[in-house]
Amino acid sequence: GESVGLHLPTLSVQEGDNSIINCAYSNSASDYFIWYKQESGKGPQFIIDIRSNMDKRQGQRVTVLLNKTVKHLSLQIAATQPGDSAVYFCAENMGNQGGKLIFGQGTELSVKP
Amino acid sequence: DAGVIQSPRHEVTEMGQEVTLRCKPISGHNSLFWYRQTMMRGLELLIYFNNNVPIDDSGMPEDRFSAKMPNASFSTLKIQPSEPRDSAVYFCASKASGSTDTQYFGPGTRLTVL
Repeated sequence: GESVGLHLPTLSVQEGDNSIINCAYSNSASDYFIWYKQESGKGPQFIIDIRSNMDKRQGQRVTVLLNKTVKHLSLQIAATQPGDSAVYFCAENMGNQGGKLIFGQGTELSVKP
Repeated sequence: DAGVIQSPRHEVTEMGQEVTLRCKPISGHNSLFWYRQTMMRGLELLIYFNNNVPIDDSGMPEDRFSAKMPNASFSTLKIQPSEPRDSAVYFCASKASGSTDTQYFGPGTRLTVL
């Protein structure tokens, strides 16, 4: 069925290290993917997105990688900072459903100073 | 620019009462989404609108839930009667036209039904 799942529900890293958050998606028809960051008490905040015709996209300290062969998405955060501590969600858009997104369960990232 | 605005931010009510949550999308956005977030079920899409028209309400849990969008700048999610299991954080999100435009979320309404 339609589902987006995360491999690691929690991730703890040392400040300054790189973080990698993984996500598996199930729908081959998905053509757009987004990573959101949600801090405690706030709504999900857009971080970075990628279309299915790309396999890598870089932002400021963040990189998203897409492997369509194995239906896997990852978010890499360089030089992780305490302010990066949050829950991270991946979401997939199945293209022909008016922008409807299916969200994964989320990974909690904890950054140790 | 103002983002998505939701009110109230917190709502505590007793079982059986009617609850109305409100959302003002980002100006110029023509799609609006209502989500519910709980620890057990994560972030679930309840209903979404395109150009004020409900497109998919398959996520609405039951007839106690209803949503309206009378104009492009306002939407409501109503629960009547409310039950303790409705306790959750309810988010509204909006996006511009185009199937891959990003959804932007509001701060959410934390609902507690006693």
